[in-house]
Amino acid sequence: DAKTTQPPSMDCAEGRAANLPCNHSTISGNEYVYWYRQIHSQGPQYIIHGLKNNETNEMASLIITEDRKSSTLILPHATLRDTAVYYCIVGGATNKLIFGTGTLLAVQP
Amino acid sequence: GAGVSQSPSNKVTEKGKDVELRCDPISGHTALYWYRQSLGQGLEFLIYFQGNSAPDKSGLPSDRFSAERTGGSVSTLTIQRTQQEDSAVYLCASSFRVAGGSGANVLTFGAGSRLTVL
Repeated sequence: DAKTTQPPSMDCAEGRAANLPCNHSTISGNEYVYWYRQIHSQGPQYIIHGLKNNETNEMASLIITEDRKSSTLILPHATLRDTAVYYCIVGGATNKLIFGTGTLLAVQP
Repeated sequence: GAGVSQSPSNKVTEKGKDVELRCDPISGHTALYWYRQSLGQGLEFLIYFQGNSAPDKSGLPSDRFSAERTGGSVSTLTIQRTQQEDSAVYLCASSFRVAGGSGANVLTFGAGSRLTVL
């Protein structure tokens, strides 16, 4: 069973920041938080991951709360091509990764 | 190749037939996963191979489903006596995992094999 809770859908205006929340209140100390996205008819694409500290890469930023029970994925300037289902997953170093139903982000022109 | 390759990309079969789906992981990746995605649904975990360890088959929905990974590389997912409810996109992913390692486990997915059972 998925260990995360995400809103089923969100809208964002093009050019604005998209902030996607995720709750993972049962996360264990050695479990990472991963974000993937799936654009229609494609395989999921890795975005970013983190353990304790906030992380940033060329695609997004990941903000993890101090208690690690929730996180937020930030797309700083959303474009129409960012419309996708975004999955937040938690998993240990060797655990299989269980995907939930994700958040459908619709970027509006 | 540079990515995870899956074949066939599309397969249409008749109910009751057997099908084989193939996955070529990224060279050097030690872990391989199969997921299933039915229309409009999320990803359903099927099976996970890690190096030479026994695979985690806990997600296989029935004994009609089986998978093997030969030589620690290519994997084949076999569905026997297909049913209409088996229609879905079957996704393969691979990652570089060191057995007992503590680092992150980042998966790279293939484009999937779309199976339609008539």
